[in-house]
Amino acid sequence: EVQLVESGGGLVKPGGSLRLSCAASGFTFSTYSMNWVRQAPGKGLEWVSSLSSDSNYIFYTDSVKGRFTISRDNAKNSLYLQMNSLRAEDTATYYCARSTYSNSYLFEYWGQGTLVTVSS
Amino acid sequence: DIQLTQSPSFLSASVGDRVTITCRASQGISSYLAWYQQKPGKAPKLLISAASTLQSGVPSRFSGSGSGTEFTLTISSLQPEDFATYYCEKLNGYPLTFGGGTKVEIK
Repeated sequence: EVQLVESGGGLVKPGGSLRLSCAASGFTFSTYSMNWVRQAPGKGLEWVSSLSSDSNYIFYTDSVKGRFTISRDNAKNSLYLQMNSLRAEDTATYYCARSTYSNSYLFEYWGQGTLVTVSS
Repeated sequence: DIQLTQSPSFLSASVGDRVTITCRASQGISSYLAWYQQKPGKAPKLLISAASTLQSGVPSRFSGSGSGTEFTLTISSLQPEDFATYYCEKLNGYPLTFGGGTKVEIK
């Protein structure tokens, strides 16, 4: 059974940093692209970042470029999102999502999400 | 960047109703579109890819159609478990984009 478990969320002040983790199990992690998608309270879904299986291809939405860094450790079956210079508008539930094998743009499996609150 | 506009943003329907949700792309995206269902407090679930390909395990009352700039998600006979918010997503490259969502509520 595919499982994705996010952790690392919490309350942080504007300008602060946070590192999210996603522990994956139930599939061969090293062969799938992985993603972060966020959802502000009461709002819709917003793609944040994607990372290819070999970490050679990395993509970010414009609003987080230069502030967020996606990475993975295939030996630990883990995905990360380092978030720096956090802003109030980054407040959201952050979901880790696995792509399908044949289409890196499709989000086939999702974690339960971790809430990040940026507030003074 | 290509934008996706869903309509309506909210609809009220009864069990057994036929429901249609539209997703319009600001530029043509061929059939590169997916649909997701999200229930309150839960992660989204992938329903349909490539505009019309039903994912394994998704009930056949769900169907998708369209290409280019206009797409539809149809629920042929709404069931109690279908009350949720539905999102479309374009699949033709980065940046990835979701529609604003359509919330389906019980009438």
